[in-house]
Amino acid sequence: GAVVSQHPSRVICKSGTSVKIECRSLDFQATTMFWYRQFPKKSLMLMATSNEGSKATYEQGVEKDKFLINHASLTLSTLTVTSAHPEDSSFYICSARGTSGPSYEQYFGPGTRLTVT
Amino acid sequence: RKEVEQDPGPFNVPEGATVAFNCTYSNSASQSFFWYRQDCRKEPKLLMSVYSSGNEDGRFTAQLNRASQYISLLIRDSKLSDSATYLCVVRPTSGTYKYIFGTGTRLKVLA
Repeated sequence: GAVVSQHPSRVICKSGTSVKIECRSLDFQATTMFWYRQFPKKSLMLMATSNEGSKATYEQGVEKDKFLINHASLTLSTLTVTSAHPEDSSFYICSARGTSGPSYEQYFGPGTRLTVT
Repeated sequence: RKEVEQDPGPFNVPEGATVAFNCTYSNSASQSFFWYRQDCRKEPKLLMSVYSSGNEDGRFTAQLNRASQYISLLIRDSKLSDSATYLCVVRPTSGTYKYIFGTGTRLKVLA
């Protein structure tokens, strides 16, 4: 089955620093990737849709200058949390949409747990 | 009104019990429906898609009622390993690949 990886799986950073999270599709090409965040005991909230070779589409209320998304290739999208603050601490999960099979099916990465101190 | 609503639970049931979860969605044009399972501190994993005619996969049965805009998941003969959060997921329209997640329903199967 389709495999999506994320790196790092866990990161602790100091307030004010930036953190980059990578999302890779390992055995398929992903024209579209999605970034979600999940707070404890809450559901996944879509942050943005990342399309290869074009600008990401952000959901309402998500600051695009704070959460920078780059989808430079068909297998890699990155999310950079800039000037991180403790309230950015969350579980960030990416998913990728394949180019074969059910076109709407998303494959999820294992998530990145960010803690900002 | 939330786009996708679920009873958060928790549902505490004994092993072997049958349990059902419901989910309602607000957009009548919604195209695709899924049930995902999420274990604590892990990513969601697809449990099953939900088809208009209803579908079954082993102990799991999913139903879709478009007229009433709800989706259900029935788990028969619950196992301890079924303990997880079950997420109802909707793809809202044909023009998007976005998923909208419900808040999830927590299930605890007790020995």
